[in-house]
Amino acid sequence: AQSVTQLDSQVPVFEEAPVELRCNYSSSVSVYLFWYVQYPNQGLQLLLKYLSGSTLVKGINGFEAEFNKSQTSFHLRKPSVHISDTAEYFCAVSDDAGGTSYGKLTFGQGTILTVHP
Amino acid sequence: KAGVTQTPRYLIKTRGQQVTLSCSPISGHRSVSWYQQTPGQGLQFLFEYFSETQRNKGNFPGRFSGRQFSNSRSEMNVSTLELGDSALYLCASQLAETAPYGYTFGSGTRLTVV
Repeated sequence: AQSVTQLDSQVPVFEEAPVELRCNYSSSVSVYLFWYVQYPNQGLQLLLKYLSGSTLVKGINGFEAEFNKSQTSFHLRKPSVHISDTAEYFCAVSDDAGGTSYGKLTFGQGTILTVHP
Repeated sequence: KAGVTQTPRYLIKTRGQQVTLSCSPISGHRSVSWYQQTPGQGLQFLFEYFSETQRNKGNFPGRFSGRQFSNSRSEMNVSTLELGDSALYLCASQLAETAPYGYTFGSGTRLTVV
């Protein structure tokens, strides 16, 4: 069974500082990895995804993430955050096993990023 | 291109009632998944439909059901509502039949059971 662990439930940071949100996963098969952002009272917006190929993936709003297979990690980074980045961020995994994996994302518990002026 | 549309945005129901939520996927997307989001349990997978067939189901009681129509629109139904069913229900659609090339989520339906 898959599982996703987001290592920090809350991350406070000052505006223009760099940030890293950590995500570790466990799975016995090849996986696809995603980061989503959720603003208050809204749905989830896809920031970026790793399907295959280069382990460094770039997403929207200046975010990037690095897939590390040996450490089973997919940490999200941004070199300089803005007030508008304040939101909850979710790491998610889906496997390539077909069958019971159809349509299913397994999510971490979320990390609330708060950017202070 | 229109996104995933969920209706209604907000619902208040009484314990014991039933409720139906609707989801219209992005045009051309044939896979629709449903999730429940609560502060305590986080985001949990309910079920997935593709071409009117339920292909996958999460660990929820039989009170939670769904269906998909020929135009890919999907509905989920919760019968005999309990207080614990209060949650944000999210629908997601994707294009590909198998590989998860990218799930697009709707804004959700906020269900409050009183």
